[in-house]
Amino acid sequence: AQTVTQSQPEMSVQEAETVTLSCTYDTSENNYYLFWYKQPPSRQMILVIRQEAYKQQNATENRFSVNFQKAAKSFSLKISDSQLGDTAMYFCAFMRLNFGNEKLTFGTGTRLTIIP
Amino acid sequence: DAGITQSPRYKITETGRQVTLMCHQTWSHSYMFWYRQDLGHGLRLIYYSAAADITDKGEVPDGYVVSRSKTENFPLTLESATRSQTSVYFCASSEPMSGANVLTFGAGSRLTVL
Repeated sequence: AQTVTQSQPEMSVQEAETVTLSCTYDTSENNYYLFWYKQPPSRQMILVIRQEAYKQQNATENRFSVNFQKAAKSFSLKISDSQLGDTAMYFCAFMRLNFGNEKLTFGTGTRLTIIP
Repeated sequence: DAGITQSPRYKITETGRQVTLMCHQTWSHSYMFWYRQDLGHGLRLIYYSAAADITDKGEVPDGYVVSRSKTENFPLTLESATRSQTSVYFCASSEPMSGANVLTFGAGSRLTVL
């Protein structure tokens, strides 16, 4: 079974600064996807970024980027030029790359607060 | 409306009562999921379905029943609610054939069992 660990329950950062959220995972699989989801106070789960394990290049989406270290089983999220709207719970998640098996395994989340 | 909708958004019930949470998606996605969210646990998979009439247990299925007679609907039933089932419940859907491997979530249903 896969496990996902987020060791930072809460973080806070000043607006416009850069913040990095940590995520490690444990799996014996070689092919998989990793995700970061954002959950603002509205409670909606919003996909932030996705990384395919077979790709060496780190995924980026505007101000969001990841540092994917496959050997270390680490998948951190960097938010640059943080904005007040980034305040949310962030969940790291794992999915096996296996057609017909799209279950997500989530970490426990990191609550991020952006301070004005 | 297009998308994935959950109802009710909020529900208060009493121990021992039966409760059904509804989930409806308009994309004809083959996969549907039910997760529960609890503080300190993140989201945990309750049940999932690969297609109509095909369902399977997730990590925490005890006390829950699901059905999927139509592709677009995936109701979750608590046959005899317990206080430990107080939680926020999320429905999600995905389509493997799209190649995107992305789950899209509903807005969640907050259930309180007194």
